[in-house]
Amino acid sequence: GQSLEQPSEVTAVEGAIVQINCTYQTSGFYGLSWYQQHDGGAPTFLSYNGLDGLEETGRFSSFLSRSDSYGYLLLQELQMKDSASYFCAVRKGGQNFVFGPGTRLSVLP
Amino acid sequence: DAGVIQSPRHEVTEMGQEVTLRCKPISGHDYLFWYRQTMMRGLELLIYFNNNVPIDDSGMPEDRFSAKMPNASFSTLKIQPSEPRDSAVYFCASSFRAGANEQFFGPGTRLTVL
Repeated sequence: GQSLEQPSEVTAVEGAIVQINCTYQTSGFYGLSWYQQHDGGAPTFLSYNGLDGLEETGRFSSFLSRSDSYGYLLLQELQMKDSASYFCAVRKGGQNFVFGPGTRLSVLP
Repeated sequence: DAGVIQSPRHEVTEMGQEVTLRCKPISGHDYLFWYRQTMMRGLELLIYFNNNVPIDDSGMPEDRFSAKMPNASFSTLKIQPSEPRDSAVYFCASSFRAGANEQFFGPGTRLTVL
């Protein structure tokens, strides 16, 4: 079986830092991706962690701990445009990705 | 490049009708994916192709669903007959090569089955 868990909603203010967690239980694990999706839009790729540790891309960072079956997405210097849903996705093997339920982030002025 | 192209963007049909969704992947990408997104089930992988060959169709919900990729620049997802529970946003995505981490999603087709 497989399951991914994320908080359903997170709220933060502009300029703040927010962390979105993802825990997973899957048969097969090769890495963890993060995607952003604005309302009415398509998912867009943010980051991928194949190894333990922190990956940084501008204001966004992603972390993975394979031993804890846990990862997170860290968003710094929040902007209004960051209001969106964020999905973690486990790479099970090959190009087979299983997506989490998503976390809806609301950034308040 | 124009990105992944999907058509139609919106489709409204009646139960029992055949529905065909179309996708043009990014040129040069070897992998093509079909996903379905609903509030209840989230984003689900239905099927993916490598070099036009179906690799994993374990996510296809039932025999009413079929997907083809006759060439590197075109794929279809067909539902026959359609049912109200098929109402969802269907996304097509493509990626460059084996081991690529990023999938590029198309704008999606919003399907409503009445």
